Formats: sequence, C-alpha cells, structure tokens
Amino acid sequence: DTGVSQDPRHKITKRGQNVTFRCDPISEHNRLYWYRQTLGQGPEFLTYFQNEAQLEKSRLLSDRFSAERPKGSFSTLEIQRTEQGDSAMYLCASSLGLGGTSEQYFGPGTRLTVT
Amino acid sequence: RKEVEQDPGPFNVPEGATVAFNCTYSNSASQSFFWYRQDCRKEPKLLMSVYSSGNEDGRFTAQLNRASQYISLLIRDSKLSDSATYLCVVNDSWGKLQFGAGTQVVVTP
Repeated sequence: DTGVSQDPRHKITKRGQNVTFRCDPISEHNRLYWYRQTLGQGPEFLTYFQNEAQLEKSRLLSDRFSAERPKGSFSTLEIQRTEQGDSAMYLCASSLGLGGTSEQYFGPGTRLTVT
Repeated sequence: RKEVEQDPGPFNVPEGATVAFNCTYSNSASQSFFWYRQDCRKEPKLLMSVYSSGNEDGRFTAQLNRASQYISLLIRDSKLSDSATYLCVVNDSWGKLQFGAGTQVVVTP
C-alpha cells in the first residue's frame, strides 16, 4: 500500500452522465498527477498540480474534464457528459519535491465503464 | 510516433532463465528514466530508476544509452513472480511521466 487512495475503485455509468473521482495523496506530497490508462497501453498524463495550482494539462483533457485540488491536499477529477471512449482506468499519483526526478507513487486507480 | 516505444511481447521465459528487453525514447532532453512494474489490473509500481552508468538491483540490471536514446532491463534467474508488464518510463524536467505501452513477461515453470 503506497498510501495514495482513490475513490471509488469502480464506477459504471451511462453515457451522458457526469462522474467525479477523488484522490487522496500521501499527506506530505506537494505534487499530484492524474493519468488515464486504457487496455494494452501505458498510462497517459492528463494533468498535474503543485500544491493547489494546476500547472499543466494534456491536450487529452477535453473541456468535459476538470480537475481541482482546492486546498492542496485531495484532488477531484470530474468528467461531464461521459462518452464510451472515456472508459479507462484513471490513476492518481503523488510525489514530493520540486524537481522531476522524485518518485511518483500511484494509487489503485478508478476503473470507469461507460455504457 | 510515440514518445516511448516498447516491444509488447510477450516474452515467455523459463523459470531460472535470463530475459532482456529495451525501449526507445524520442525526447533527447529527457531528464530521468525508470522501469515500473504493473501486475494485471493493478497500479504501476516503481521497479528501479535507471542511471547513466547503469545500475543493478538484485537480479535486475538497467542500462541507459543516451546517445542512442534507449533503455534496457535485464532480469536474471527469472522467478514465477516476475511475470508482469514492465513499463519503460521517461521523465521530463518537471515530472510528467511518459510511459511506454509495456512489455509483457511470462515466466513459466
């Protein structure tokens, strides 16, 4: 157990519905990342926060996706008007430090199925 | 072209044998390099960092060739528990990880 938790672990939703996922990073970690992983692929970067500031967003993150980290602790990822193509594992990771070489610890992921 | 390319495998390896595989990366400015291990339907976990001089961790040896932009992983004396997908990971200066699609290793008795 790395200490990063995600909730829920599984979510099944109907196309067009909104969903929200939560990530609780390791408590002293200032950086938080969201990735998406589909079957047979490696995780793909979506966005990251340093404390409460969202510093980078992938072009994969369409305007239906929004992420927040309001107090620099937990983060939420919301997907509006879900589409079948959104079905994937959504992974959260956290790390400590300002540089890019700090180890990222991953949570167990939220598996989203859009029917 | 993907930023990190890996042979998807599977590499079928008899228990006790040695297996090695590579990945290539496209961004010559990449700062740091890792191998992550991912078990089926689980999250990725760091296996080892990869240093320019090459490094070893038990039965695992990683090499980095910056000139040719490839990274390798060698597993000696393979165990059944080594069966997993091995993700090659490249990190730019601020921490965005670029993952390969993974190389599947299956160790057989």
